[in-house]
Order: sequence, then structure tokens, then C-alpha cells
Amino acid sequence: DVKVTQSSRYLVKRTGEKVFLECVQDMDHENMFWYRQDPGLGLRLIYFSYDVKMKEKGDIPEGYSVSREKKERFSLILESASTNQTSMYLCASSLTGGQYFGAGTRLSVL
Amino acid sequence: GENVEQHPSTLSVQEGDSAVIKCTYSDSASNYFPWYKQELGKRPQLIIDIRSNVGEKKDQRIAVTLNKTAKHFSLHITETQPEDSAVYFCAARRVTGGGNKLTFGTGTQLKVEL
Repeated sequence: DVKVTQSSRYLVKRTGEKVFLECVQDMDHENMFWYRQDPGLGLRLIYFSYDVKMKEKGDIPEGYSVSREKKERFSLILESASTNQTSMYLCASSLTGGQYFGAGTRLSVL
Repeated sequence: GENVEQHPSTLSVQEGDSAVIKCTYSDSASNYFPWYKQELGKRPQLIIDIRSNVGEKKDQRIAVTLNKTAKHFSLHITETQPEDSAVYFCAARRVTGGGNKLTFGTGTQLKVEL
């Protein structure tokens, strides 16, 4: 079974803080993704990576950055958290077919 | 870029009835169409997928159909059961320079009533 692990299930941060969300997969997948999920908006792609040190912007990259120093790990960074970044964040990984998701991190920015 | 529209946003059926969820996509170069089920408080899970060289695929009570000409695809669930209650997402894979990038629909909340 593919295992995609996100470091935190719940996170509460203050406005202006730097926030790191970590994701690790154990299936040697080339591709990794970060989404945010909001009611009525579905899953929106923030960034993805198809190889170590490679990254591409998704549909809503503003206010976020990413890091992929090792194949199994993909980090999402909020440089200066804002209240409109309160959301559920989902990490996923894949080879060529469907994506496998982590359990999600519910981030609240106060 | 790719745009995926999904309808209906909510669907309520009686146990044992069929449920159909429809999606349309905009990029004619999209070639892979997965469906995900997300139960309350859980992660999205892949339940079935179809590639552009196939018109229909079945797996027990679920089936997916694809009409490339019309750029739409549908999820069919027969003999619905209470455990089918969940949010269902369709997606389409855009052909890009790198990676395996999906665009998701906005989801359908399916409720199966006893």
C-alpha cells in the first residue's frame, strides 16, 4: 500500500508566522503535489514537483512556496501566514496514474 | 489551462437506486480521468479511472463512461448502499511538460437514504 504521511493533522498559527507543512511518501513516486481543499471549491493545486529540486506552479501558488530536496519529501511553506490561508491542505504523490493522498493538515491562521 | 465542471453538487438517492455524476472538461488533450471518493473526515481515495482510449470501464457496482467528442465523462453507481454516501470528485489530467497534473471538479455530495 502506498503511504503518504503528512506531519500534522491540525495546526494553529498566528498571522505573519512562517509555516512549514511536511509530506513524505514511501513508494518512490516521481510526482508530488500540494492542494488546498475548501468547501464548494474542490481540490485546488498549489504546487507540484516531478523530480527532486523541480517544481511547478499550480493554479493558486500565490503566498506559498515549496521545497523538494529529497525524492520522498515535499514541503509546503507559507512565508507569512494570513487568515485567508486557513484551510485543509492535502499532499499527494503519483507515478503515471492516479494520485494517492495524505490524511490532510487542517491549518487555522488566527 | 484545463477546466473541469462537475454536476450536481449534491445528490440524494434512495438505497438501491442508481446515482450518476457528470463532469465536463475543456482541454481536448486530456487523456486520463480518475474518480475519487472522500468520506467525511478522510482522505480522497481513487475508486476508478479511465483513459482516453477506452469508452467505458466497470468495477462491480461502479462504472465510468467517457465521450471524448463531447468532452464529458460520468460516474455511475448502481444498487447504492449507505456506505456509498461521500463526496465524489472527478478529475482530468492535463498534458504538461512534466509531471502528472490533475484538475479536479468541485465535488458531488452523495447521500444514500435508507
